[in-house]
Parts: sequence; structure tokens; C-alpha cells
Amino acid sequence: AQKVTQAQTEISVVEKEDVTLDCVYETRDTTYYLFWYKQPPSGELVFLIRRNSFDEQNEISGRYSWNFQKSTSSFNFTITASQVVDSAVYFCALRGNTPLVFGKGTRLSVIA
Amino acid sequence: DVKVTQSSRYLVKRTGEKVFLECVQDMDHENMFWYRQDPGLGLRLIYFSYDVKMKEKGDIPEGYSVSREKKERFSLILESASTNQTSMYLCASRVQGGNTEAFFGQGTRLTVV
Repeated sequence: AQKVTQAQTEISVVEKEDVTLDCVYETRDTTYYLFWYKQPPSGELVFLIRRNSFDEQNEISGRYSWNFQKSTSSFNFTITASQVVDSAVYFCALRGNTPLVFGKGTRLSVIA
Repeated sequence: DVKVTQSSRYLVKRTGEKVFLECVQDMDHENMFWYRQDPGLGLRLIYFSYDVKMKEKGDIPEGYSVSREKKERFSLILESASTNQTSMYLCASRVQGGNTEAFFGQGTRLTVV
């Protein structure tokens, strides 16, 4: 069975602070894909990043960075110098031989 | 840009009614999905379809059915709506193949009274 755990239910930070959202996954598939999605107050899920199980390179995109570690089955997401517009619910998701399985999400509030 | 459109943003229905939630995508995607989102539970898969006329049960199919008569349209049907089906419903689609992301619609917030 596939499982994604986002232990942090809610996080609140002050603007310009760095924040890391944790994601731990479980799968028996040797080939799998990991994703992060953002859900702003408008409700639509917005795709942020995709990683496959063979690519452990970390990635940076502007203020966003992702740390994928197969040894600990983690795919963590860091926002540097957070902004109010980063306030949203963030979902980590996993796909192996089955459709996307989502974590329960982390609600991030960035306070001005 | 990929567009996944759900027919209604907000819907209020009465207990026992038959409810249709429609989803249309414009990028010729083979795969389509219906999820429901509830506070504290994240997104849970109801049904999915890998191609026209095909359907597979997800994790919580009870009380729902689906229809995929055309490639671009995937309908979720609540045969007899109940109050515990009050939720946010999200439709998604993606190209067949492992290394592709799913694109989501804007969601339908259904309230059953």
C-alpha cells in the first residue's frame, strides 16, 4: 500500500522567515513519482514539482527548494523568505502503480 | 494551458436527490480522476478512468458511480445524496504515462441538506 504522511497540520510563520514542510512516504514500488501541490484559498490545486524515484537531485526554483532523500523516504519542501502569498494548503503526493495518493496537507499561514 | 473545468463551483442539493457533477478537460488526456477533500482527511480517490468507457473504483467508491462516454468528459454521480457526502469534489486529468502530473479543476463544493 502507498502512504504519504505530512505530520505538520498547520504552520504559522512571520513574513520573511524560512519554513520547511515535511513529507514522508511509504511504497513498495521500485519506480514511483513524488509531487507537491499548492492549494490557495481559491481551491484549485496547483502543481509545483515532480520527482521520480531515480532522481535524488535536489531542486531549487526561486524561493522554493525540495530535498528528496530515498534513505529516509522523505521529500521535504522549503520556502525561503516566505511571503503572504505563500499562504495556502500544501499537499505532498505519491504515485507508483496506482493513482495519486495524497497526504493530508499542511496549512501554511504567513503573517505580515 | 491545460484546462479542467467542473460544471459548478457551488451546489446545494437535498437528501435523496440524484446529483451529477461534470468535469471536462480540453487536452485529450486519457486518465481522469474524482477526489473528495475533507478537513483533516486530505484528498481521497473516489473513482478513476484510464480511457473512455473504462472505470475503476478508488478508495471510497460507496455511494458514487461514474460515467465516461467521451474522452474529455468524466461525470461523478451521487445516486441518492446523503448529508455525509457534503464535501469538496475535485476532478483531475493527466496524460497516460508515469512521469506526468495531474491537472485539477477548480473544485465543486457540494452541500447536501
